[in-house]
Amino acid sequence: DIQLTQSPSFLSASVGDRVIITCRASQAINTYLAWYQQKQGSAPKLLIFTASTLQRGVSSRFSGSGSATEFTLTISSLQPEDFATYYCQQVHSYPYTFGPGTTVDIK
Amino acid sequence: EVKLLESGGDLVHPGGSLRLSCAASGFTFSIYDMSWVRQAPGEGLEWVSAIGGSGGSEGTTYYTDSVKGRFTISRDNSENTLYLQMNNLRAGDTAVYYCAKLGYCTGGRCYNFDYWGQGTLVTVSS
Repeated sequence: DIQLTQSPSFLSASVGDRVIITCRASQAINTYLAWYQQKQGSAPKLLIFTASTLQRGVSSRFSGSGSATEFTLTISSLQPEDFATYYCQQVHSYPYTFGPGTTVDIK
Repeated sequence: EVKLLESGGDLVHPGGSLRLSCAASGFTFSIYDMSWVRQAPGEGLEWVSAIGGSGGSEGTTYYTDSVKGRFTISRDNSENTLYLQMNNLRAGDTAVYYCAKLGYCTGGRCYNFDYWGQGTLVTVSS
């Protein structure tokens, strides 16, 4: 099975900050990676797929990059509504594993 | 508008069974792969199972190791409904179970989970 790790696990940031979250895969997955945002008590929301494609309707302050085993999610200027937990997911092969999550909290 | 509505979550004793349902609307259900994802209280997301749609590997099923032999995913395309039959439930199966639609499907594979239901809570406890 493909394992995903995320760093950091938790970060504290201020509105307007640039935030970068890293996701690493245990083996090469091309660009078969998606990013999701989850707010407390709600279902996950798709942000990015194929590593860098922005889902329709998602703010352009979110961007993704990477391939093979290392990927990043960048929030260019953190907004109050962005405080949430972010998960990466590989869709290269079943089981479609998720990373452990990165919680972005208010500084 | 795409909607996914899960139901069937409940409190069940260890060793018991439960069937979850996910009613889908707003898209051609039969075409798309569908999946179940769960989230234990205070924990992260865990992919559980998936089933192919007619746009790809129709009817093919996939499971995470911890539920193989205990859970069965199925779909009724005439009713636009996804199911998860869960047998021999354990305390570790306690979680909110989400139904998700796979999206951006091309060349027989899909690249994201683009729509999610609101989840249904399964609690396994004596």
